[in-house]
Amino acid sequence: AQSVAQPEDQVNVAEGNPLTVKCTYSVSGNPYLFWYVQYPNRGLQFLLKYITGDNLVKGSYGFEAEFNKSQTSFHLKKPSALVSDSALYFCAVSPIKAAGNKLTFGGGTRVLVKP
Amino acid sequence: ETGVTQSPTHLIKTRGQQVTLRCSSQSGHNTVSWYQQALGQGPQFIFQYYREEENGRGNFPPRFSGLQFPNYSSELNVNALELDDSALYLCASSLGAGQETQYFGPGTRLLVL
Repeated sequence: AQSVAQPEDQVNVAEGNPLTVKCTYSVSGNPYLFWYVQYPNRGLQFLLKYITGDNLVKGSYGFEAEFNKSQTSFHLKKPSALVSDSALYFCAVSPIKAAGNKLTFGGGTRVLVKP
Repeated sequence: ETGVTQSPTHLIKTRGQQVTLRCSSQSGHNTVSWYQQALGQGPQFIFQYYREEENGRGNFPPRFSGLQFPNYSSELNVNALELDDSALYLCASSLGAGQETQYFGPGTRLLVL
Protein backbone atom coordinates (compact mmCIF):
# COMPACT_ATOMS: atom_id res chain seq x y z
CA ALA A 1 0.00 0.00 0.00
CA GLN A 2 1.18 3.51 -0.72
CA SER A 3 1.07 6.42 1.71
CA VAL A 4 2.08 10.05 2.00
CA ALA A 5 2.97 11.99 5.13
CA GLN A 6 2.96 15.75 5.48
CA PRO A 7 4.34 16.21 9.00
CA GLU A 8 3.37 19.86 9.42
CA ASP A 9 -0.27 20.87 9.67
CA GLN A 10 0.68 24.51 9.19
CA VAL A 11 3.70 26.48 8.05
CA ASN A 12 4.03 30.17 8.83
CA VAL A 13 6.48 32.31 6.88
CA ALA A 14 7.06 36.01 6.34
CA GLU A 15 6.61 37.41 2.87
CA GLY A 16 9.90 37.35 0.97
CA ASN A 17 11.34 34.50 3.03
CA PRO A 18 11.95 30.99 1.68
CA LEU A 19 9.06 28.55 1.95
CA THR A 20 9.43 24.79 2.43
CA VAL A 21 6.58 22.30 2.72
CA LYS A 22 7.65 18.79 3.66
CA CYS A 23 6.46 15.50 2.20
CA THR A 24 7.59 11.91 2.64
CA TYR A 25 6.14 8.91 0.88
CA SER A 26 5.98 5.14 0.93
CA VAL A 27 5.32 3.14 -2.23
CA SER A 28 6.43 -0.12 -3.79
CA GLY A 29 8.87 0.56 -6.57
CA ASN A 30 9.46 3.92 -8.18
CA PRO A 31 6.86 6.62 -7.64
CA TYR A 32 5.25 9.40 -9.54
CA LEU A 33 5.04 12.39 -7.17
CA PHE A 34 2.83 15.45 -7.38
CA TRP A 35 2.12 18.71 -5.59
CA TYR A 36 -1.26 20.41 -5.72
CA VAL A 37 -2.53 23.62 -4.12
CA GLN A 38 -6.08 24.30 -2.94
CA TYR A 39 -7.52 27.73 -2.34
CA PRO A 40 -10.68 28.18 -0.21
CA ASN A 41 -13.80 26.67 -1.80
CA ARG A 42 -11.84 25.63 -4.87
CA GLY A 43 -10.60 22.41 -6.42
CA LEU A 44 -6.97 21.37 -6.56
CA GLN A 45 -4.56 23.16 -8.87
CA PHE A 46 -1.57 21.24 -10.25
CA LEU A 47 1.82 22.73 -9.33
CA LEU A 48 4.43 20.19 -10.45
CA LYS A 49 5.30 16.52 -10.77
CA TYR A 50 8.25 14.17 -10.70
CA ILE A 51 8.23 11.26 -13.10
CA THR A 52 11.87 10.51 -13.78
CA GLY A 53 15.14 12.27 -14.51
CA ASP A 54 16.41 15.39 -12.77
CA ASN A 55 15.72 15.31 -9.04
CA LEU A 56 14.91 19.04 -8.99
CA VAL A 57 11.55 19.74 -10.59
CA LYS A 58 10.39 23.24 -11.46
CA GLY A 59 6.70 24.05 -11.56
CA SER A 60 4.14 26.82 -11.69
CA TYR A 61 4.26 30.15 -9.81
CA GLY A 62 7.97 29.84 -8.94
CA PHE A 63 7.61 26.58 -6.99
CA GLU A 64 10.09 23.73 -7.19
CA ALA A 65 10.47 20.38 -5.48
CA GLU A 66 13.39 18.09 -4.82
CA PHE A 67 13.04 14.33 -5.11
CA ASN A 68 15.25 12.41 -2.68
CA LYS A 69 15.01 8.67 -3.18
CA SER A 70 17.15 7.66 -0.21
CA GLN A 71 15.05 9.75 2.17
CA THR A 72 11.78 9.04 0.29
CA SER A 73 11.02 12.74 0.35
CA PHE A 74 9.63 15.28 -2.10
CA HIS A 75 9.73 18.66 -0.37
CA LEU A 76 8.11 21.69 -2.02
CA LYS A 77 10.09 24.92 -2.02
CA LYS A 78 9.80 28.51 -3.07
CA PRO A 79 12.74 30.91 -2.69
CA SER A 80 10.62 33.97 -1.87
CA ALA A 81 7.06 33.53 -0.59
CA LEU A 82 4.18 35.84 -1.47
CA VAL A 83 1.07 36.58 0.58
CA SER A 84 -0.91 35.10 -2.31
CA ASP A 85 0.83 31.74 -1.71
CA SER A 86 -1.29 31.32 1.43
CA ALA A 87 -3.31 28.17 0.74
CA LEU A 88 -3.57 24.44 1.46
CA TYR A 89 -0.88 22.31 -0.16
CA PHE A 90 -1.17 18.59 -0.90
CA CYS A 91 1.53 16.11 -1.80
CA ALA A 92 0.40 13.00 -3.70
CA VAL A 93 1.97 9.77 -4.91
CA SER A 94 1.04 7.37 -7.67
CA PRO A 95 2.76 4.04 -8.21
CA ILE A 96 4.30 3.28 -11.58
CA LYS A 97 2.28 0.42 -12.94
CA ALA A 98 0.65 -0.71 -16.13
CA ALA A 99 -2.84 0.56 -15.48
CA GLY A 100 -4.42 3.19 -13.32
CA ASN A 101 -2.92 6.35 -11.87
CA LYS A 102 -4.74 6.49 -8.56
CA LEU A 103 -3.38 9.35 -6.46
CA THR A 104 -2.82 8.91 -2.74
CA PHE A 105 -2.75 12.27 -0.97
CA GLY A 106 -1.22 13.45 2.25
CA GLY A 107 -3.31 15.24 4.82
CA GLY A 108 -2.31 18.67 3.60
CA THR A 109 -0.23 21.54 4.96
CA ARG A 110 -1.73 24.98 5.42
CA VAL A 111 0.68 27.74 4.45
CA LEU A 112 0.23 31.20 5.89
CA VAL A 113 2.43 33.93 4.46
CA LYS A 114 2.38 37.08 6.55
CA PRO A 115 3.08 40.53 5.08
CA GLU B 1 -9.66 24.93 -23.98
CA THR B 2 -12.33 24.19 -21.37
CA GLY B 3 -11.21 22.87 -18.02
CA VAL B 4 -12.90 20.29 -15.84
CA THR B 5 -16.40 21.31 -14.79
CA GLN B 6 -18.66 19.81 -12.15
CA SER B 7 -22.33 20.18 -11.28
CA PRO B 8 -23.98 21.05 -9.06
CA THR B 9 -21.67 23.21 -6.94
CA HIS B 10 -23.58 22.56 -3.74
CA LEU B 11 -26.16 19.99 -2.72
CA ILE B 12 -28.12 19.22 0.43
CA LYS B 13 -29.66 15.77 0.91
CA THR B 14 -31.14 13.82 3.76
CA ARG B 15 -29.94 10.48 5.07
CA GLY B 16 -31.10 7.54 2.94
CA GLN B 17 -31.54 9.55 -0.25
CA GLN B 18 -29.64 9.06 -3.49
CA VAL B 19 -27.48 11.64 -5.29
CA THR B 20 -25.90 11.99 -8.73
CA LEU B 21 -22.92 14.24 -9.31
CA ARG B 22 -21.71 15.15 -12.79
CA CYS B 23 -18.32 15.91 -14.30
CA SER B 24 -17.25 17.10 -17.73
CA SER B 25 -13.66 16.26 -18.50
CA GLN B 26 -11.14 18.62 -20.04
CA SER B 27 -11.14 18.59 -23.83
CA GLY B 28 -9.24 15.58 -25.20
CA HIS B 29 -9.09 13.74 -21.87
CA ASN B 30 -10.36 10.15 -21.81
CA THR B 31 -9.85 9.34 -18.12
CA VAL B 32 -11.89 10.56 -15.16
CA SER B 33 -11.14 9.95 -11.50
CA TRP B 34 -13.37 10.75 -8.53
CA TYR B 35 -12.17 11.69 -5.06
CA GLN B 36 -13.89 12.41 -1.75
CA GLN B 37 -12.42 15.14 0.44
CA ALA B 38 -13.80 15.24 3.96
CA LEU B 39 -13.38 18.44 5.92
CA GLY B 40 -9.78 18.92 7.03
CA GLN B 41 -8.46 15.89 5.16
CA GLY B 42 -6.76 15.08 1.91
CA PRO B 43 -8.75 13.69 -1.01
CA GLN B 44 -9.47 9.95 -1.01
CA PHE B 45 -9.65 8.01 -4.28
CA ILE B 46 -13.10 6.59 -5.05
CA PHE B 47 -12.68 5.15 -8.55
CA GLN B 48 -11.40 5.87 -12.04
CA TYR B 49 -12.96 5.45 -15.47
CA TYR B 50 -10.85 4.98 -18.59
CA ARG B 51 -12.59 4.87 -21.95
CA GLU B 52 -15.95 4.07 -20.32
CA GLU B 53 -14.64 1.18 -18.19
CA GLU B 54 -13.91 1.22 -14.46
CA ASN B 55 -10.12 1.18 -14.09
CA GLY B 56 -9.49 0.94 -10.38
CA ARG B 57 -11.47 1.48 -7.21
CA GLY B 58 -10.60 2.72 -3.76
CA ASN B 59 -11.91 1.54 -0.42
CA PHE B 60 -15.50 2.69 -0.87
CA PRO B 61 -18.65 0.55 -0.55
CA PRO B 62 -20.70 -0.55 -3.57
CA ARG B 63 -23.32 2.14 -2.94
CA PHE B 64 -20.76 4.44 -4.57
CA SER B 65 -21.04 3.78 -8.30
CA GLY B 66 -20.10 5.55 -11.46
CA LEU B 67 -20.46 5.83 -15.15
CA GLN B 68 -18.49 7.30 -18.03
CA PHE B 69 -20.16 8.31 -21.25
CA PRO B 70 -18.84 8.15 -24.85
CA ASN B 71 -17.91 11.86 -24.65
CA TYR B 72 -15.86 10.95 -21.53
CA SER B 73 -18.04 12.92 -19.14
CA SER B 74 -18.82 11.03 -15.96
CA GLU B 75 -21.33 10.60 -13.15
CA LEU B 76 -20.86 9.60 -9.54
CA ASN B 77 -23.90 8.04 -7.89
CA VAL B 78 -24.24 7.51 -4.17
CA ASN B 79 -27.16 5.49 -2.81
CA ALA B 80 -28.48 5.30 0.74
CA LEU B 81 -26.67 8.46 1.81
CA GLU B 82 -25.09 8.51 5.26
CA LEU B 83 -24.09 11.50 7.35
CA ASP B 84 -20.40 10.65 6.80
CA ASP B 85 -20.88 11.10 3.05
CA SER B 86 -20.87 14.85 3.65
CA ALA B 87 -17.76 16.03 1.83
CA LEU B 88 -16.34 17.83 -1.19
CA TYR B 89 -16.44 15.50 -4.20
CA LEU B 90 -13.71 16.18 -6.70
CA CYS B 91 -13.50 15.01 -10.27
CA ALA B 92 -10.20 14.94 -12.14
CA SER B 93 -9.51 14.24 -15.79
CA SER B 94 -6.32 13.18 -17.55
CA LEU B 95 -5.11 12.30 -21.03
CA GLY B 96 -4.71 8.67 -20.03
CA ALA B 97 -4.53 6.27 -17.12
CA GLY B 98 -0.75 6.19 -16.80
CA GLN B 99 1.50 8.90 -15.42
CA GLU B 100 -0.48 11.72 -16.97
CA THR B 101 -1.29 14.65 -14.73
CA GLN B 102 -4.79 14.76 -13.30
CA TYR B 103 -6.54 18.12 -13.55
CA PHE B 104 -9.25 18.79 -11.01
CA GLY B 105 -12.60 20.47 -11.22
CA PRO B 106 -13.92 22.86 -8.56
CA GLY B 107 -15.82 20.12 -6.75
CA THR B 108 -19.36 19.52 -5.53
CA ARG B 109 -19.97 20.11 -1.86
CA LEU B 110 -22.48 17.59 -0.52
CA LEU B 111 -24.15 18.01 2.85
CA VAL B 112 -26.15 15.09 4.21
CA LEU B 113 -28.57 15.93 7.03
